[in-house]
Amino acid sequence: DAKTTQPPSMDCAEGRAANLPCNHSTISGNEYVYWYRQIHSQGPQYIIHGLKNNETNEMASLIITEDRKSSTLILPHATLRDTAVYYCIAPENAGNMLTFGGGTRLMVKP
Amino acid sequence: NAGVTQTPKFQVLKTGQSMTLQCAQDMNHEYMSWYRQDPGMGLRLIHYSVGAGITDQGEVPNGYNVSRSTTEDFPLRLLSAAPSQTSVYFCASSYSRSTVRYGYTFGSGTRLTVV
Repeated sequence: DAKTTQPPSMDCAEGRAANLPCNHSTISGNEYVYWYRQIHSQGPQYIIHGLKNNETNEMASLIITEDRKSSTLILPHATLRDTAVYYCIAPENAGNMLTFGGGTRLMVKP
Repeated sequence: NAGVTQTPKFQVLKTGQSMTLQCAQDMNHEYMSWYRQDPGMGLRLIHYSVGAGITDQGEVPNGYNVSRSTTEDFPLRLLSAAPSQTSVYFCASSYSRSTVRYGYTFGSGTRLTVV
């Protein structure tokens, strides 16, 4: 897996956009970037993934820089239920094995 | 409900005991895997399977066995439980060995304590 680096924690005000950065400077051309989140004590939940184009779904948007060395997950209107640990992953072999690092602990505050 | 079902949700074992953690999915997913998560840590891959009859080791396979006799089930066996195996265990599945188009679906976890 390409090594990913994320800040250990972030705060966000409820209703505001949460922008979670991820550095993956060693990513190779065929490695996708995946985002998962884990709400306390639950199993991880898939959020979104992308290769080089920006992606959007009902949960979030993913912005990938042109050189693909970093990306940002955007939760457009964070709610208290978005408080979780967010994992950025760039697995080899199109995702055959996921390696989870420490992630970013996002705290959404009222 | 479609998804990944793990049983039991909680388990306490004595050192040296063996047990099997069950994982079943009803989504016809090819790929299944087991992770463990220690307190305050990320997930670490134990074993995975890309289809019935095919399994392989992940990052931390020692002390665990797996088999995949059917597409639906992927049990994890602890051969001789040790306190170091106290953890939360998650099972995950995906439609294909390539997750290019599909994310992984995780179960709700089994919380195992070895005393």
